[in-house]
Amino acid sequence: EDKVVQSPLSLVVHEGDTVTLNCSYEVTNFRSLLWYKQEKKAPTFLFMLTSSGIEKKSGRLSSILDKKELFSILNITATQTGDSAIYLCAVYAGNMLTFGGGTRLMVKP
Amino acid sequence: DAGVIQSPRHEVTEMGQEVTLRCKPISGHNSLFWYRQTMMRGLELLIYFNNNVPIDDSGMPEDRFSAKMPNASFSTLKIQPSEPRDSAVYFCASSWGRDNGGYTFGSGTRLTVV
Repeated sequence: EDKVVQSPLSLVVHEGDTVTLNCSYEVTNFRSLLWYKQEKKAPTFLFMLTSSGIEKKSGRLSSILDKKELFSILNITATQTGDSAIYLCAVYAGNMLTFGGGTRLMVKP
Repeated sequence: DAGVIQSPRHEVTEMGQEVTLRCKPISGHNSLFWYRQTMMRGLELLIYFNNNVPIDDSGMPEDRFSAKMPNASFSTLKIQPSEPRDSAVYFCASSWGRDNGGYTFGSGTRLTVV
């Protein structure tokens, strides 16, 4: 059975801090790893990673994949209160997307 | 593009009643997925369709749950009879099958069964 595990479960930081969210996986027929941000409604797409060692960056967010060690990290620098959300990691394997349990991030002013 | 459209946005019903959730995928997408999200279990895949055909329904919790996709632009998820433990947010997502997982999610239906 495909498995995706995220850590920490929750995190409280202050504005300006840098955070690192972790995602490890055990799947068959890996195709890609995706990060989503979920605020009040539907998950919204952040990154798709398919190759090891290549950092994807969007503003203050960046992510990298290690296919040998089977994990990915999502970094957020200079956090803002608007970054408060649940961050979901998902792995696309075979023909399906399996989600981790998410990391709930709260950024305090 | 209107995105994935789900209805209703909220549903409150009494235990034992039938509930039908609706989804209109993005035009041109050939895969459709139903997910359920709860605090305890996170996002769980219930069923997915490819070209309107159910491919994997192993995530459907029990026989009370059924899903149909009569055409490429419409799908339903039905719960009959509903139970309080079915209370959750139900998401529909669609993708073009070759996107390597770049799904687009609808806004979800928040179901409360009392």
